[in-house]
Amino acid sequence: AQTVTQSQPEMSVQEAETVTLSCTYDTSESDYYLFWYKQPPSRQMILVIRQEAYKQQNATENRFSVNFQKAAKSFSLKISDSQLGDAAMYFCAYRSSTSGTYKYIFGTGTRLKVLA
Amino acid sequence: AAGVIQSPRHLIKEKRETATLKCYPIPRHDTVYWYQQGPGQDPQFLISFYEKMQSDKGSIPDRFSAQQFSDYHSELNMSSLELGDSALYFCASSLSSGDNDNEQFFGPGTRLTVL
Repeated sequence: AQTVTQSQPEMSVQEAETVTLSCTYDTSESDYYLFWYKQPPSRQMILVIRQEAYKQQNATENRFSVNFQKAAKSFSLKISDSQLGDAAMYFCAYRSSTSGTYKYIFGTGTRLKVLA
Repeated sequence: AAGVIQSPRHLIKEKRETATLKCYPIPRHDTVYWYQQGPGQDPQFLISFYEKMQSDKGSIPDRFSAQQFSDYHSELNMSSLELGDSALYFCASSLSSGDNDNEQFFGPGTRLTVL
């Protein structure tokens, strides 16, 4: 069974600085997807960025980028130029590519605080 | 663009009562997923449906049942409610075909409180 681990329950970053959130996962599959979701106080799940395992190039979305290390099964999220609106709970998620098993497996989350 | 709709948004029930949560997927999406997120926890997969058939099952209690209807909306029925069922229940939908890679789009959630 696949597992997702986020070892940082809470992180803090100064406004305009850069922060990296860690995520590791365990799987025997070779093809899968990885996601970072943001959950603000409204508790809406907002997709931040996604990475297909077969792509070697790290995904980037504006101030958000990932460091995907497939061999190490590591998928960290880097937030540059942090803004107050980035404060939220961040979940790393894994999704299989096997037909019929598209459920997301989430990590336990990292609460990000942004200091003014 | 249309999003996933969940109703009700908030629900308060007593122990041992029943509750029905509804999910209306994005138009043309044929797959629905249900997740449960307890206080301070990560979302846990409950069950999913594709074309009205159950496609996958997670840690869903026997007291819960769900189905997907011909218009693709889904309902999660919860009976003999317990205090521990208090949680945020997310529905997500996806399209099984095309280049979207079955990406799931989450609804705003239904907050269930059991007293």
